[in-house]
Parts: sequence; structure tokens; C-alpha cells
Amino acid sequence: AQTVTQSQPEMSVQEAETVTLSCTYDTSENNYYLFWYKQPPSRQMILVIRQEAYKQQNATENRFSVNFQKAAKSFSLKISDSQLGDTAMYFCAFMGNSGYALNFGKGTSLLVTP
Amino acid sequence: DAGVIQSPRHEVTEMGQEVTLRCKPISGHDYLFWYRQTMMRGLELLIYFNNNVPIDDSGMPEDRFSAKMPNASFSTLKIQPSEPRDSAVYFCATCQGLGYGYTFGSGTRLTVV
Repeated sequence: AQTVTQSQPEMSVQEAETVTLSCTYDTSENNYYLFWYKQPPSRQMILVIRQEAYKQQNATENRFSVNFQKAAKSFSLKISDSQLGDTAMYFCAFMGNSGYALNFGKGTSLLVTP
Repeated sequence: DAGVIQSPRHEVTEMGQEVTLRCKPISGHDYLFWYRQTMMRGLELLIYFNNNVPIDDSGMPEDRFSAKMPNASFSTLKIQPSEPRDSAVYFCATCQGLGYGYTFGSGTRLTVV
């Protein structure tokens, strides 16, 4: 089974600053999909950004962007101009090309301070 | 679209009782997933359905757990009998197909005392 590793259990950033959350994964597949989900204290799971492995261009959604390094099996999330509302748990997730299950990392707790 | 609807939002029950969690998927999403979230184990896939048919139930922890999807509009996850270690947040999620992200419900926080 594919494993997803988030090596930073907790991070903190000041408002308006930029922060990068790390994620690595292990797979033997060539085509797959990667996701970042946000879980604020309300516990709702919210899709932040999605990347298709066969696309070399890094995905971007407003203040959120990824650095996808396929050879290194790395998928980091960059949050620019951090806002207090970005305070949440962030989960990296992997979906293989042969199944529909999402494998999640353990999460990174991000605190945005004033 | 109202999104994925789960009920109840919170459930507190006594050990040994039967618990039923409910989920209404987004219309047109052919895949439905049940996940459990705990501090110790994170997010674990329990079971998923495609077009109402169970595809992979290898994550269901014990025979005490069962899930059904009688039609495209409704799914249940049942625990009978419940135990304190079943205490967790249970999420239902749906998706349109391969490569699409999931849309999650708001989850049910289950506490078994």
C-alpha cells in the first residue's frame, strides 16, 4: 500500500507570511493523483488543491500552490500571505491510478498568529 | 447542492448499544466512502461503494461493523455492539470518479461510554 508521510506535526507562521508544508509519498505507480485537504476546528474536510502526476505544471489555487517533485516523490504545499483563517490541520493524500481510495498522511497542524 | 449530508452530528451511547450512522451522498457521485478519524490512527478507510455495490471492505475493523448502501441516495454504517474504542469521528465522502477529490460530510462524532 502507498504510504504518505508528513514530517512536520506542527508549524506556526505569522499573518501575511509564507509557509511551506512538506509531504512525501511512496508508490511504484507512474500515474496517480495528489491532494491537500484542510481541516479547521469545525472538523469539516475541505479540498485545497489537487495535482495530477502526469502534469508537470504545479497546481495553483489563489494563495495556495504546490511544489510537485515526481522523481523525489515530494508534494509540498505553499501558503502565501497567510491568514488567521488558514489555521487548521492540513492533510496530504494520495490516490493511485488503480483504485479510488485516498491514503492520508497524519497531518500537520498549522497555527497562524497575528 | 447541499453537499454530503451526515447524521447525527454527535452521538453518545453506552457500551453494548447499537449505533447507526447515516449518509446522503451528492447526486451523481458514484463512489461513497466511510472513513474513521482518531488521534492515534489518523484517517482510515473503512469501506467504499461504487454504484451502491461494496468494493473494498478490508478496512472494516471487526464483524461488529457493517455498512449498506440500499440505493444511490443513502448509506448507513452500523456498529453492533459498540465499544469504547469505537469512539471516533466517522466521515462519509463521495466522489465522481478516478482522480477527483472527495467531498466530505461534516462527520459524526461518536462517543461510547
